[in-house]
Amino acid sequence: AQSVAQPEDQVNVAEGNPLTVKCTYSVSGNPYLFWYVQYPNRGLQFLLKYITGDNLVKGSYGFEAEFNKSQTSFHLKKPSALVSDSALYFCAVRGGPTLGRLYFGRGTQLTVWP
Amino acid sequence: ETGVTQSPTHLIKTRGQQVTLRCSSQSGHNTVSWYQQALGQGPQFIFQYYREEENGRGNFPPRFSGLQFPNYSSELNVNALELDDSALYLCASSPTSGGGHETQYFGPGTRLLVL
Repeated sequence: AQSVAQPEDQVNVAEGNPLTVKCTYSVSGNPYLFWYVQYPNRGLQFLLKYITGDNLVKGSYGFEAEFNKSQTSFHLKKPSALVSDSALYFCAVRGGPTLGRLYFGRGTQLTVWP
Repeated sequence: ETGVTQSPTHLIKTRGQQVTLRCSSQSGHNTVSWYQQALGQGPQFIFQYYREEENGRGNFPPRFSGLQFPNYSSELNVNALELDDSALYLCASSPTSGGGHETQYFGPGTRLLVL
């Protein structure tokens, strides 16, 4: 069965410091991995995705993610956090027999304090 | 903004009633997916429509049904509303349903409260 785990409900970092939001996945076959961000009372905004190729994926707003097949992880990173990055972040995986379906984690609330 | 729109933005219904939520896909996208996001949870897949046909369904009862129209706009209908149906309903459009690598672009959602 396809699933995603985001082990941290909350991540707190100081502005200017690097941030990491963790994600591990389970999927049969090749995974397609996605990160979305959700601001209060808003829908999900696409940040980046891994399909194949380079394990380091660069996305919007300076975010990047590292795919690690042996650890089945897809952690979201940013070298220098901004207060405006504070939001709810979701990791999602697509794969297996129902390719059209995204499986989401529970989300990680990122707070960047000044 | 993604170009995916949803209406209404908020809705209050009572238990047992029926509700219809609407979604307009991004231009050029022929696939729409619906998700339910309960408070404090990640989105859960309800179903997907591709070229007006249901193309996959999650673990939701038959009282959740949908339609996709020739212009690729879509509706989600929920009959016999229950209190647990209170959630944010998200639709997402994508260029095609196959391959698995296409990005799904989400609308702002409809927040449904069932009393």
